[in-house]
Amino acid sequence: DSGVTQTPKHLITATGQRVTLRCSPRSGDLSVYWYQQSLDQGLQFLIQYYNGEERAKGNILERFSAQQFPDLHSELNLSSLELGDSALYFCASSAVGGGAEQFFGPGTRLTVL
Amino acid sequence: DQQVKQNSPSLSVQEGRISILNCDYTNSMFDYFLWYKKYPAEGPTFLISISSIKDKNEDGRFTVFLNKSAKHLSLHIVPSQPGDSAVYFCAASVSNFGNEKLTFGTGTRLTIIP
Repeated sequence: DSGVTQTPKHLITATGQRVTLRCSPRSGDLSVYWYQQSLDQGLQFLIQYYNGEERAKGNILERFSAQQFPDLHSELNLSSLELGDSALYFCASSAVGGGAEQFFGPGTRLTVL
Repeated sequence: DQQVKQNSPSLSVQEGRISILNCDYTNSMFDYFLWYKKYPAEGPTFLISISSIKDKNEDGRFTVFLNKSAKHLSLHIVPSQPGDSAVYFCAASVSNFGNEKLTFGTGTRLTIIP
């Protein structure tokens, strides 16, 4: 158990809809990272938050947004969903000054029908 | 542009023998490298890492080797055990305090044959 929790574990929805994925980092970790893993692909970095502020952006679509709340949990919002958004979405957290080791949650499997 | 490459999608090794997983990178700015292991329906689990100032790091049965001139790293698992069967991802980052996003390879599926 990495200490990172993600909900829900599975999500099935239709095209055009909007969903919210939730992540709680390990106790004390200020950084939260979101990654997307599509079929047979590596993990692609989407966005990072550090202590409530956006720190870095990767290949994140404009239809996607995220935020980190004062209690450090984070939410990834996906809107106007398309079939190609079906993927595993992972959240990871890391400690300040802890190097690059990130600890991953179990992921949310999103299926868009 | 795939900055981190794992050219072997799969690898099968007899139990007790050495497993060697390879990874190549193109971005010379990367200065920290990690290996993650992933079982189905679980998140990646951190295994071992290495800084670019080193060329070897060991942790139990796991050893990572870094060849900066070749932009190549490898993970050695000795001896291989059935529980090592999983997908292994290589990842790299550029040190930037508080912003160490990881760039991942596409993974290698390791199967240990009893």
